[in-house]
Amino acid sequence: AQSVTQPDIHITVSEGASLELRCNYSYGATPYLFWYVQSPGQGLQLLLKYFSGDTLVQGIKGFEAEFKRSQSSFNLRKPSVHWSDAAEYFCAVTTGGGNKLTFGTGTQLKVEL
Amino acid sequence: GAVVSQHPSWVICKSGTSVKIECRSLDFQATTMFWYRQFPKQSLMLMATSNEGSKATYEQGVEKDKFLINHASLTLSTLTVTSAHPEDSSFYICSARDSSGEGGYTFGSGTRLTVV
Repeated sequence: AQSVTQPDIHITVSEGASLELRCNYSYGATPYLFWYVQSPGQGLQLLLKYFSGDTLVQGIKGFEAEFKRSQSSFNLRKPSVHWSDAAEYFCAVTTGGGNKLTFGTGTQLKVEL
Repeated sequence: GAVVSQHPSWVICKSGTSVKIECRSLDFQATTMFWYRQFPKQSLMLMATSNEGSKATYEQGVEKDKFLINHASLTLSTLTVTSAHPEDSSFYICSARDSSGEGGYTFGSGTRLTVV
């Protein structure tokens, strides 16, 4: 079965600084990978996804992620963080379109002004 | 884009009563919907997969008689928490497979259930 690890439970960055959130997955074949963001008491918003093709994926709100098969990673990056980016970020994996998603434990991002 | 509407956004009920949560796909047909439960400051745990016109598939450890799922149409799935107890208090989120064919998933805004 697939699994997802987000090693960082909490991350604090200063506004304007760069950001990288780590995500490692475990799955035998090529996975379908997602990054979602959740504000308190809200549902999840899709930031970006990777299915195939170019391993550098661009998403909304200036986020990008890079799929590295050799490292089983799909890290999320943003060059300059805004205070409004403070939220919970979840990495997720599925084995195919339409199959159930497995989520990581999430990373809480705090942005210092 | 695809929108999933979830109602109510929050509900308080007395212990022993039942609560129904609705999840609707507004602008697309969802043959499959998923129900998740999220405890405070924790990740989402899949409870069940809801398939239109057939029985839901429950994850191991989820009581199917307690969490009744009905997916009677292509745009509506419901989760009923029966005989609710305080330990059922949680944040419940539904999602549907995006009909765009790109394999994405759209999430509802969640329901905060508090059982008193």
